[in-house]
Amino acid sequence: GAVVSQHPSWVICKSGTSVKIECRSLDFQATTMFWYRQFPKQSLMLMATSNEGSKATYEQGVEKDKFLINHASLTLSTLTVTSAHPEDSSFYICSARDPSHLYEAFFGQGTRLTVV
Amino acid sequence: QQQVKQSPQSLIVQKGGISIINCAYENTAFDYFPWYQQFPGKGPALLIAIRPDVSEKKEGRFTISFNKSAKQFSLHIMDSQPGDSATYFCAASKTGYSTLTFGKGTMLLVSP
Repeated sequence: GAVVSQHPSWVICKSGTSVKIECRSLDFQATTMFWYRQFPKQSLMLMATSNEGSKATYEQGVEKDKFLINHASLTLSTLTVTSAHPEDSSFYICSARDPSHLYEAFFGQGTRLTVV
Repeated sequence: QQQVKQSPQSLIVQKGGISIINCAYENTAFDYFPWYQQFPGKGPALLIAIRPDVSEKKEGRFTISFNKSAKQFSLHIMDSQPGDSATYFCAASKTGYSTLTFGKGTMLLVSP
């Protein structure tokens, strides 16, 4: 199946700093990518939908100024957690749907963010 | 109308047995029903998916059964193995760039 690559796999940062997470579609063009957050033993919670060349659409309750999303190309979307705090520690996962495979949805390997 | 209800929450199956996980959806506009397998610390991996034009799809030991009238679909894992121990999520959406609606997940443990 299609490959979605996410980097880094894990990151530790100090409180107040910013962290950028990259999501790439390796073998298909993704005009739309999705960003999720997952808490331990819970399901995936959609944070935002990232659209190439336009502003992201955020889900209710997600702070757009804290979670900056940039979808600058058809294969790359980035999520920047700004002024991170310990409560932002979580597992972040991106996803993309492959139009050449009937829009099947593939996920990155996830990024474990720990804010200390 | 966007919910996907998944059961059971957890499941213990003996090696060689059949694991069955069920999901029910509400939105009749959904036409894409994937199942994902997730190991701790990893992203969900697409296992198998079905669309409403068929009632069953099989890939190796994994089978999806789909009942359009009941708005239900299920995952069957035949000859379950300890390596199948993971969390399984069902999801539903419309085809295209629509968002997925996920079930709450099922933690499967296959005992040796």
